[in-house]
Amino acid sequence: GAVVSQHPSRVICKSGTSVKIECRSLDFQATTMFWYRQFPKQSLMLMATSNEGSKATYEQGVEKDKFLINHASLTLSTLTVTSAHPEDSSFYICSASSGSLREQYFGPGTRLTVT
Amino acid sequence: KQEVTQIPAALSVPEGENLVLNCSFTDSAIYNLQWFRQDPGKGLTSLLLIQSSQREQTSGRLNASLDKSSGRSTLYIAASQPGDSATYLCAVSLYYGGATNKLIFGTGTLLAVQP
Repeated sequence: GAVVSQHPSRVICKSGTSVKIECRSLDFQATTMFWYRQFPKQSLMLMATSNEGSKATYEQGVEKDKFLINHASLTLSTLTVTSAHPEDSSFYICSASSGSLREQYFGPGTRLTVT
Repeated sequence: KQEVTQIPAALSVPEGENLVLNCSFTDSAIYNLQWFRQDPGKGLTSLLLIQSSQREQTSGRLNASLDKSSGRSTLYIAASQPGDSATYLCAVSLYYGGATNKLIFGTGTLLAVQP
């Protein structure tokens, strides 16, 4: 149980375009989802927390107009990188939790490359 | 501000050796601590989760301890195997907005087990 998927696993896009990444909880209802970013040889950094049906809460330094997060259902959250630039190239990982203070289950990650 | 540090940053050992990975955190007001494994280019696999009220957790060849007062955790791997080669991350969970746990990740230890 507690499986989280992400799609796509890899994406290459041109500078200035937008990219959407999906995160799905396959066998449980995720009231809270988290989005992380990981640059090469660095650890994971939390970008934002989203609760189903509510606006996401962004960490300091993360542009909410650039990284649009939607959590419209209990099994799906999306991260849209708008007007992507090469410096947005990174590994994006989501996690999902079934409730307050519950364990987070991680997706396999999405490798974004902006050319 | 909570900071999580892992020592060593990299470790290379011969197969069969027992080893210890260290994690330290600056603020002892944590909800729980988790150890993860990350293979290159992949997502996270949860290894062990220790609640703040617990002192240790064991799973197979892995044993994790937690000393909240001193801000330290160790991950002990017995009889290491080449398949254990990966990056090991520890993460502490904090109360976030009173109702959600937020994970702060450490810097990671890159482990290589030589056959």
